[in-house]
Order: sequence, then C-alpha cells, then structure tokens
Amino acid sequence: EADIYQTPRYLVIGTGKKITLECSQTMGHDKMYWYQQDPGMELHLIHYSYGVNSTEKGDLSSESTVSRIRTEHFPLTLESARPSHTSQYLCASSAERGAGNQPQHFGDGTRLSIL
Amino acid sequence: RKEVEQDPGPFNVPEGATVAFNCTYSNSASQSFFWYRQDCRKEPKLLMSVYSSGNEDGRFTAQLNRASQYISLLIRDSKLSDSATYLCVVNRKGNFNKFYFGSGTKLNVKP
Repeated sequence: EADIYQTPRYLVIGTGKKITLECSQTMGHDKMYWYQQDPGMELHLIHYSYGVNSTEKGDLSSESTVSRIRTEHFPLTLESARPSHTSQYLCASSAERGAGNQPQHFGDGTRLSIL
Repeated sequence: RKEVEQDPGPFNVPEGATVAFNCTYSNSASQSFFWYRQDCRKEPKLLMSVYSSGNEDGRFTAQLNRASQYISLLIRDSKLSDSATYLCVVNRKGNFNKFYFGSGTKLNVKP
C-alpha cells in the first residue's frame, strides 16, 4: 500500500481565506502531482514537480501555487479562496524506474468547499 | 484530439458476466500503461500495469496492442464490488513527468 497522505480530508471555508492543502509521501518519490476533479468528471493536472525546488504548471490553469522544498512534501496554496475553487484535490507521487515511470499512487484527496 | 480516449459507458452487466473495456491513445511514443479503478468520490487506485505481452491478475486481464494503439481490460466473473469507474492511464516516453488519464468507463454490476 502506498504511503501518501493528504490533509485535511474535508474543508469548508469562507471566501477570501488563504488555504494550504498538505500532501506528504514517505516513499522517497521524486515526482509529485496535484490534480483537480469535480464529481463525475475527469482528473485535471494542475501542478507537478520532478524534484526538490522544481514545480511546473499542469494542463488546467489554476490560481493555486505549490512548493517543493523537501522531497516528501508538496503543499498546495490558494491565497484567496473563491467558490469556483470548490472541488476535490488529489495529490499523487511516482518514482522513475529505468527509462519509464512507475505508476502514480494517490492520496485520499481533499474535498474543498468554499462558501 | 485527446491523448487517451475511453467509452464513458455505463456498462450495466449482471453478476458473473465477462466485460471488456478498450482505451485508445494518440501518441505512438507512449511507453507505460496502467488501469486504475476509481470508486465514487474516492481517489483512483492502481488496478494493474499493462505489459507488452499482456498480463493477468486473478479475474483481470490487460492487453496492449501497440500497432493499433489501444489497451484493453477484461473482467471475468464480475462481482458487485467491481462496480466503479475504470481509468486508462498512459505515460509517454521522453515525457516522464506527466500521466495522461482517460475520462473513465463506468461499470455497474447488477445482482
């Protein structure tokens, strides 16, 4: 079983608040990812990192930001939450094996509701 | 064109049935292939990797056809607990950092 943890599991908060979603993994994976997924819809990559001090924007534009100061930690921050940010946020990590990737492992997700 | 395409379903099948899903990918440089299962409002969980020679894990069999650029998943003797959305995932050679997800195929197994 993969060891990747997200907190909080659920967050209901008012508009304009600063939010940080935490993601940690204990597998020593270099690569980490954030996805956004609305109910019944597909996953959208919003950020990824291939190692410490590297971050890249994903395919879906997002007002969130990320940082990767430590291998195991990849937090996502929203400076000023809005109702449009309401969604499920999924963190994942993967290792590289030879010339390809091992599969991604996902955390339990954070279900975010902005009032 | 999407990187990965799947029939969204739903596939409604009785318990004990055999069901097959296909998934096509657009980039011939794709190298790693996976099937994930996602339950409603949960995170995706790895079901199995897909190897060039095909592979089996219990009731599940995955096949890869590189010439036609498609991947298949066969589920035998369906159980009620197999009801979920099945996601096809592809990773491209030379683009190790990103995984491309299909939109998923929904399976409903009925008693």
